[in-house]
Amino acid sequence: GQQVMQIPQYQHVQEGEDFTTYCNSSTTLSNIQWYKQRPGGHPVFLIQLVKSGEVKKQKRLTFQFGEAKKNSSLHITATQTTDVGTYFCADRREAAGNKLTFGGGTRVLVKP
Amino acid sequence: EAGVAQSPRYKIIEKRQSVAFWCNPISGHATLYWYQQILGQGPKLLIQFQNNGVVDDSQLPKDRFSAERLKGVDSTLKIQPAKLEDSAVYLCASSPLQGQNYGYTFGSGTRLTVV
Repeated sequence: GQQVMQIPQYQHVQEGEDFTTYCNSSTTLSNIQWYKQRPGGHPVFLIQLVKSGEVKKQKRLTFQFGEAKKNSSLHITATQTTDVGTYFCADRREAAGNKLTFGGGTRVLVKP
Repeated sequence: EAGVAQSPRYKIIEKRQSVAFWCNPISGHATLYWYQQILGQGPKLLIQFQNNGVVDDSQLPKDRFSAERLKGVDSTLKIQPAKLEDSAVYLCASSPLQGQNYGYTFGSGTRLTVV
């Protein structure tokens, strides 16, 4: 079956620095959604990417969809302590009733 | 708008006992999902409802798990009998009709511990 993989699994970042987390799939992705889950919380929807090569920004967060639609990335600039949490990418397949297949997540810890 | 409501928030049971979780989605959301999230992993879809019909239950362990969404609104997920490996957070999510570009809205989840 489809596998959605995220790297790195853990990311320790110094406050103020930038980092990138990557999402890769064994098959072509349909639509990519990104979620953030704070420690002890539930996933919260951040954004959806649909088109090949699409780039979207939310303040310090930049989301990108690969040209071949087999990968996606999330880049955070000037990391803050509020960025702590786990970031999940998920493939949303309209042909499968909008089924979401999640990756394993990247757990982000911020060092003040 | 009110979010997705789930109860109970926490549950501890012994193996071989039964347990039930309840979810009330956002009003008007036709699609409801139950996910299982084991510690340190991403959520895994158990079952998806469109109104009161099942769209996908391919990953639901049907020998012990069951779910229903009577009247197309709230839903219950049951485990009977529970096993140690069922310890996880059970998340309910809802979204508007298929084909629209909305993210899912998740509830706070029920943390199940099987001892």
